[in-house]
Amino acid sequence: QKEVEQDPGPLSVPEGAIVSLNCTYSNSAFQYFMWYRQYSRKGPELLMYTYSSGNKEDGRFTAQVDKSSKYISLFIRDSQPSDSATYLCAMSPMNRDDKIIFGKGTRLHILP
Amino acid sequence: DSGVTQTPKHLITATGQRVTLRCSPRSGDLSVYWYQQSLDQGLQFLIQYYNGEERAKGNILERFSAQQFPDLHSELNLSSLELGDSALYFCASSVGSRGWSVTEAFFGQGTRLTVV
Repeated sequence: QKEVEQDPGPLSVPEGAIVSLNCTYSNSAFQYFMWYRQYSRKGPELLMYTYSSGNKEDGRFTAQVDKSSKYISLFIRDSQPSDSATYLCAMSPMNRDDKIIFGKGTRLHILP
Repeated sequence: DSGVTQTPKHLITATGQRVTLRCSPRSGDLSVYWYQQSLDQGLQFLIQYYNGEERAKGNILERFSAQQFPDLHSELNLSSLELGDSALYFCASSVGSRGWSVTEAFFGQGTRLTVV
Protein backbone atom coordinates (compact mmCIF):
# COMPACT_ATOMS: atom_id res chain seq x y z
CA GLN A 1 0.00 0.00 0.00
CA LYS A 2 1.34 3.42 -0.99
CA GLU A 3 1.80 5.93 1.81
CA VAL A 4 -0.41 8.49 0.08
CA GLU A 5 -3.14 7.71 -2.43
CA GLN A 6 -4.79 10.30 -4.62
CA ASP A 7 -7.14 9.80 -7.55
CA PRO A 8 -5.42 11.28 -10.63
CA GLY A 9 -8.69 12.29 -12.29
CA PRO A 10 -9.28 14.17 -14.47
CA LEU A 11 -12.20 15.70 -12.64
CA SER A 12 -14.42 17.99 -14.70
CA VAL A 13 -17.06 20.14 -13.03
CA PRO A 14 -19.12 23.13 -14.18
CA GLU A 15 -18.22 26.62 -13.06
CA GLY A 16 -19.77 27.51 -9.71
CA ALA A 17 -19.91 23.94 -8.44
CA ILE A 18 -18.38 22.74 -5.19
CA VAL A 19 -15.29 20.63 -5.80
CA SER A 20 -14.12 17.92 -3.44
CA LEU A 21 -10.58 16.58 -3.71
CA ASN A 22 -9.37 13.78 -1.46
CA CYS A 23 -6.35 11.81 -0.34
CA THR A 24 -5.95 8.80 1.87
CA TYR A 25 -2.80 7.81 3.69
CA SER A 26 -1.44 4.92 5.67
CA ASN A 27 1.25 6.44 7.91
CA SER A 28 -0.26 7.45 11.24
CA ALA A 29 2.85 9.53 12.01
CA PHE A 30 1.82 12.23 9.55
CA GLN A 31 1.06 15.47 11.39
CA TYR A 32 1.19 18.17 8.71
CA PHE A 33 -1.15 18.02 5.77
CA MET A 34 -0.72 20.28 2.78
CA TRP A 35 -2.42 21.04 -0.48
CA TYR A 36 -0.43 22.33 -3.43
CA ARG A 37 -1.80 23.69 -6.68
CA GLN A 38 0.15 23.21 -9.87
CA TYR A 39 -0.75 25.00 -13.07
CA SER A 40 0.43 23.60 -16.37
CA ARG A 41 4.14 24.23 -16.96
CA LYS A 42 4.56 25.66 -13.46
CA GLY A 43 5.94 24.43 -10.18
CA PRO A 44 3.64 23.48 -7.30
CA GLU A 45 2.60 26.31 -4.99
CA LEU A 46 1.35 25.91 -1.44
CA LEU A 47 -2.38 26.46 -1.20
CA MET A 48 -3.18 25.50 2.37
CA TYR A 49 -1.82 23.47 5.24
CA THR A 50 -3.21 22.10 8.46
CA TYR A 51 -1.65 20.58 11.52
CA SER A 52 -3.20 17.43 12.99
CA SER A 53 -6.98 17.05 12.68
CA GLY A 54 -9.65 19.59 11.98
CA ASN A 55 -10.75 22.12 9.41
CA LYS A 56 -9.13 25.20 8.01
CA GLU A 57 -10.81 27.73 5.79
CA ASP A 58 -9.25 30.30 3.48
CA GLY A 59 -11.63 32.15 1.22
CA ARG A 60 -13.25 29.65 -1.14
CA PHE A 61 -10.99 26.84 0.04
CA THR A 62 -11.53 24.53 3.01
CA ALA A 63 -9.11 21.82 4.08
CA GLN A 64 -10.29 18.96 6.30
CA VAL A 65 -8.27 16.32 8.07
CA ASP A 66 -9.73 13.18 9.62
CA LYS A 67 -6.86 11.37 11.26
CA SER A 68 -9.04 8.58 12.56
CA SER A 69 -9.93 7.66 8.98
CA LYS A 70 -6.55 8.74 7.54
CA TYR A 71 -8.41 10.88 5.05
CA ILE A 72 -7.94 14.48 3.98
CA SER A 73 -10.05 16.67 1.76
CA LEU A 74 -9.90 19.99 -0.03
CA PHE A 75 -13.15 21.71 -0.89
CA ILE A 76 -13.40 24.52 -3.40
CA ARG A 77 -16.59 26.56 -3.32
CA ASP A 78 -17.89 28.61 -6.24
CA SER A 79 -15.28 27.03 -8.51
CA GLN A 80 -13.82 29.22 -11.25
CA PRO A 81 -12.13 28.34 -14.55
CA SER A 82 -8.93 29.76 -13.03
CA ASP A 83 -9.06 26.93 -10.48
CA SER A 84 -8.31 24.48 -13.30
CA ALA A 85 -5.01 22.92 -12.28
CA THR A 86 -3.51 19.83 -10.73
CA TYR A 87 -3.95 19.63 -6.96
CA LEU A 88 -1.40 17.66 -4.96
CA CYS A 89 -1.82 16.63 -1.37
CA ALA A 90 1.32 16.31 0.71
CA MET A 91 2.01 15.04 4.19
CA SER A 92 4.81 15.00 6.67
CA PRO A 93 5.49 13.76 10.17
CA MET A 94 7.53 16.93 10.68
CA ASN A 95 9.97 15.12 12.90
CA ARG A 96 13.72 15.47 12.63
CA ASP A 97 13.78 13.75 9.24
CA ASP A 98 11.08 16.03 7.89
CA LYS A 99 10.16 13.58 5.17
CA ILE A 100 7.37 14.92 2.98
CA ILE A 101 5.31 12.63 0.80
CA PHE A 102 3.28 13.95 -2.12
CA GLY A 103 0.25 12.42 -3.72
CA LYS A 104 0.34 12.03 -7.49
CA GLY A 105 -2.12 14.89 -7.93
CA THR A 106 -5.67 15.24 -9.24
CA ARG A 107 -6.22 17.10 -12.50
CA LEU A 108 -9.19 19.43 -12.16
CA HIS A 109 -11.04 21.10 -15.04
CA ILE A 110 -13.62 23.78 -14.33
CA LEU A 111 -15.89 24.11 -17.31
CA PRO A 112 -17.12 27.67 -18.07
CA ASP B 1 6.98 34.25 -9.54
CA SER B 2 8.38 32.15 -6.68
CA GLY B 3 11.86 33.63 -6.88
CA VAL B 4 13.42 30.23 -7.57
CA THR B 5 15.06 30.09 -11.01
CA GLN B 6 15.70 26.90 -12.92
CA THR B 7 17.55 26.53 -16.20
CA PRO B 8 17.12 25.27 -18.79
CA LYS B 9 13.33 25.05 -19.07
CA HIS B 10 13.50 22.24 -21.60
CA LEU B 11 16.18 19.72 -22.42
CA ILE B 12 16.16 16.98 -25.02
CA THR B 13 19.02 14.51 -25.03
CA ALA B 14 19.86 10.99 -26.09
CA THR B 15 20.14 7.88 -23.97
CA GLY B 16 23.53 7.43 -22.37
CA GLN B 17 24.22 11.14 -22.22
CA ARG B 18 24.85 13.39 -19.22
CA VAL B 19 23.07 16.63 -18.41
CA THR B 20 23.27 19.29 -15.74
CA LEU B 21 20.26 21.12 -14.37
CA ARG B 22 20.75 24.37 -12.55
CA CYS B 23 18.81 26.01 -9.73
CA SER B 24 19.17 29.43 -8.15
CA PRO B 25 17.31 29.64 -4.83
CA ARG B 26 15.38 32.64 -3.56
CA SER B 27 17.51 35.36 -2.07
CA GLY B 28 18.34 34.43 1.52
CA ASP B 29 17.33 30.77 1.22
CA LEU B 30 19.98 28.32 2.33
CA SER B 31 18.23 25.02 1.59
CA VAL B 32 17.73 23.60 -1.87
CA TYR B 33 15.64 20.52 -2.62
CA TRP B 34 15.45 18.57 -5.85
CA TYR B 35 12.32 16.70 -6.90
CA GLN B 36 11.47 14.52 -9.88
CA GLN B 37 7.91 14.52 -11.20
CA SER B 38 6.67 11.85 -13.57
CA LEU B 39 3.18 10.74 -14.47
CA ASP B 40 3.49 7.31 -12.88
CA GLN B 41 5.50 8.21 -9.78
CA GLY B 42 4.25 11.68 -8.94
CA LEU B 43 6.53 14.11 -7.14
CA GLN B 44 9.52 12.29 -5.67
CA PHE B 45 12.09 13.84 -3.36
CA LEU B 46 15.64 13.34 -4.57
CA ILE B 47 18.01 15.26 -2.34
CA GLN B 48 18.39 18.31 -0.10
CA TYR B 49 21.37 20.60 0.41
CA TYR B 50 21.75 23.15 3.15
CA ASN B 51 24.42 25.82 2.92
CA GLY B 52 26.63 23.68 0.72
CA GLU B 53 26.23 20.39 2.56
CA GLU B 54 24.04 17.42 1.78
CA ARG B 55 21.28 17.29 4.39
CA ALA B 56 18.86 14.61 3.28
CA LYS B 57 18.63 11.99 0.60
CA GLY B 58 15.54 10.52 -0.96
CA ASN B 59 14.99 8.26 -3.94
CA ILE B 60 18.01 9.46 -5.86
CA LEU B 61 19.66 7.04 -8.26
CA GLU B 62 23.41 6.45 -8.14
CA ARG B 63 23.62 7.84 -11.69
CA PHE B 64 22.38 11.16 -10.31
CA SER B 65 24.35 13.57 -8.16
CA ALA B 66 23.97 17.10 -6.92
CA GLN B 67 25.95 19.83 -5.28
CA GLN B 68 25.42 23.26 -3.83
CA PHE B 69 28.01 25.93 -4.48
CA PRO B 70 29.25 28.73 -2.20
CA ASP B 71 26.90 31.19 -3.89
CA LEU B 72 24.11 28.73 -2.93
CA HIS B 73 23.05 27.81 -6.44
CA SER B 74 22.71 24.10 -6.97
CA GLU B 75 23.24 21.72 -9.85
CA LEU B 76 21.71 18.31 -10.42
CA ASN B 77 23.81 16.05 -12.64
CA LEU B 78 22.11 13.18 -14.42
CA SER B 79 24.34 10.68 -16.21
CA SER B 80 23.96 7.53 -18.31
CA LEU B 81 20.48 8.74 -19.09
CA GLU B 82 17.71 6.26 -19.76
CA LEU B 83 14.31 6.74 -21.37
CA GLY B 84 12.72 6.39 -17.94
CA ASP B 85 14.56 9.46 -16.69
CA SER B 86 12.30 11.65 -18.81
CA ALA B 87 10.43 13.78 -16.30
CA LEU B 88 10.02 17.23 -14.84
CA TYR B 89 12.76 18.11 -12.39
CA PHE B 90 11.89 20.72 -9.81
CA CYS B 91 14.04 22.65 -7.45
CA ALA B 92 12.63 24.21 -4.30
CA SER B 93 14.29 26.42 -1.72
CA SER B 94 13.69 27.48 1.84
CA VAL B 95 15.44 29.39 4.58
CA GLY B 96 15.58 26.63 7.14
CA SER B 97 17.87 23.69 7.62
CA ARG B 98 15.55 21.16 9.24
CA GLY B 99 14.14 19.85 6.04
CA TRP B 100 10.89 20.92 4.45
CA SER B 101 9.40 24.06 5.92
CA VAL B 102 5.76 24.17 4.92
CA THR B 103 5.35 27.89 4.69
CA GLU B 104 8.87 28.70 3.57
CA ALA B 105 9.56 26.33 0.69
CA PHE B 106 8.90 27.53 -2.83
CA PHE B 107 9.25 25.66 -6.10
CA GLY B 108 10.85 26.78 -9.32
CA GLN B 109 9.15 26.28 -12.68
CA GLY B 110 11.02 23.10 -13.40
CA THR B 111 13.16 21.64 -16.16
CA ARG B 112 11.42 19.27 -18.55
CA LEU B 113 13.89 16.56 -19.52
CA THR B 114 13.15 14.37 -22.51
CA VAL B 115 15.46 11.43 -23.16
CA VAL B 116 15.15 9.99 -26.67
